[in-house]
Amino acid sequence: GAGVSQSPSNKVTEKGKDVELRCDPISGHTALYWYRQRLGQGLEFLIYFQGNSAPDKSGLPSDRFSAERTGESVSTLTIQRTQQEDSAVYLCASSLVGTKYNEQFFGPGTRLTVL
Amino acid sequence: DQQVKQNSPSLSVQEGRISILNCDYTNSMFDYFLWYKKYPAEGPTFLISISSIKDKNEDGRFTVFLNKSAKHLSLHIVPSQPGDSAVYFCAASDVSGNFNKFYFGSGTKLNVKP
Repeated sequence: GAGVSQSPSNKVTEKGKDVELRCDPISGHTALYWYRQRLGQGLEFLIYFQGNSAPDKSGLPSDRFSAERTGESVSTLTIQRTQQEDSAVYLCASSLVGTKYNEQFFGPGTRLTVL
Repeated sequence: DQQVKQNSPSLSVQEGRISILNCDYTNSMFDYFLWYKKYPAEGPTFLISISSIKDKNEDGRFTVFLNKSAKHLSLHIVPSQPGDSAVYFCAASDVSGNFNKFYFGSGTKLNVKP
């Protein structure tokens, strides 16, 4: 079956513009995660969705970042008024349920470059 | 403040030899550890995991060792193959986590030379 897909694969934007990144999780996966990887650093947790529960937003770095998920399907990560330090690869992952022993399946990521 | 550290950004190994990738962590509450493998332009894929109740877990050519007192884990690949060339991330989760919130290292790029 299809894996996790993300779009766009690459996004170049100017400082101050808003961007929207999309994630299509594996069908039937109730848990969805967003991570960020800056150059030379590890994956940084951003936000987690589990079913219809309130999302865990504890990793969002500022109020310019927000994410939505409709039911157990597509999620969008929005960055408003982008800054150069937002440049990174944004990875989405999904798992069957959101327990630590359930494997996370990652998408290929969106490489965001803010000029 | 990185709680999981991979201090070697790269490693080069001859085909057929052993590859040893290291990972250190600072949080003594971490109780579950994983290794992920990442090829260019692809997302990370799960490789092997270990719970803190064990000190070793083996899966084919891949073995993960956990030294809780030293807060150190390592991934051994024997024998190494050119197809193993990739970036390897270690990740850890703590006992309070009732969901899959992991802390990742910065990765080690492994190059296996034919």
